[in-house]
Amino acid sequence: GENVEQHPSTLSVQEGDSAVIKCTYSDSASNYFPWYKQELGKGPQLIIDIRSNVGEKKDQRIAVTLNKTAKHFSLHITETQPEDSAVYFCAAKINSGYSTLTFGKGTMLLVSP
Amino acid sequence: DAGVTQSPTHLIKTRGQQVTLRCSPKSGHDTVSWYQQALGQGPQFIFQYYEEEERQRGNFPDRFSGHQFPNYSSELNVNALLLGDSALYLCASSSDFYEQYFGPGTRLTVT
Repeated sequence: GENVEQHPSTLSVQEGDSAVIKCTYSDSASNYFPWYKQELGKGPQLIIDIRSNVGEKKDQRIAVTLNKTAKHFSLHITETQPEDSAVYFCAAKINSGYSTLTFGKGTMLLVSP
Repeated sequence: DAGVTQSPTHLIKTRGQQVTLRCSPKSGHDTVSWYQQALGQGPQFIFQYYEEEERQRGNFPDRFSGHQFPNYSSELNVNALLLGDSALYLCASSSDFYEQYFGPGTRLTVT
């Protein structure tokens, strides 16, 4: 089955800096890569996703890049704010036609004022 | 438009007992997936329901079972609870093969 590795496990940045979280996946059949933000005591919130037919997608301060050849994808957050502090999860979906996600182990992002 | 809702929020059970968790999907969604999230880990897929049938199942024992109702809501049942079943149980709904939206989860503690 699919295996998703996520790095780093923790990331501390100063407010205004950029943050980058990287993930690799094992199954070349995967074609959908979402990112979720999970705040303490809440469920994961979908913040951005990318499909395998594009290499980059941007939404305001958040962007995701995908390299299918290398089987890795990354989340980029610019101009970080304290409210960006949370655990971020990457995930991948194998192209089986079913919406089943395999998650990474998460990155705890701490943005200090 | 209400998002995905789950009940109860928290639950404490004793080893060997049985538990039922409930989920109502986002309006317009017909597919419900259940995940288990242990502390400090990413969500692990349990199973998915579509058209009242279990469509796919992850690597979980038969003690974990589910049901989907005609209104697309779903239940997760766990029998013969073990201490290791303590986790956050998440429900996610979707309407296509891609985006999944999660509920707030049910925190289950087994003592």
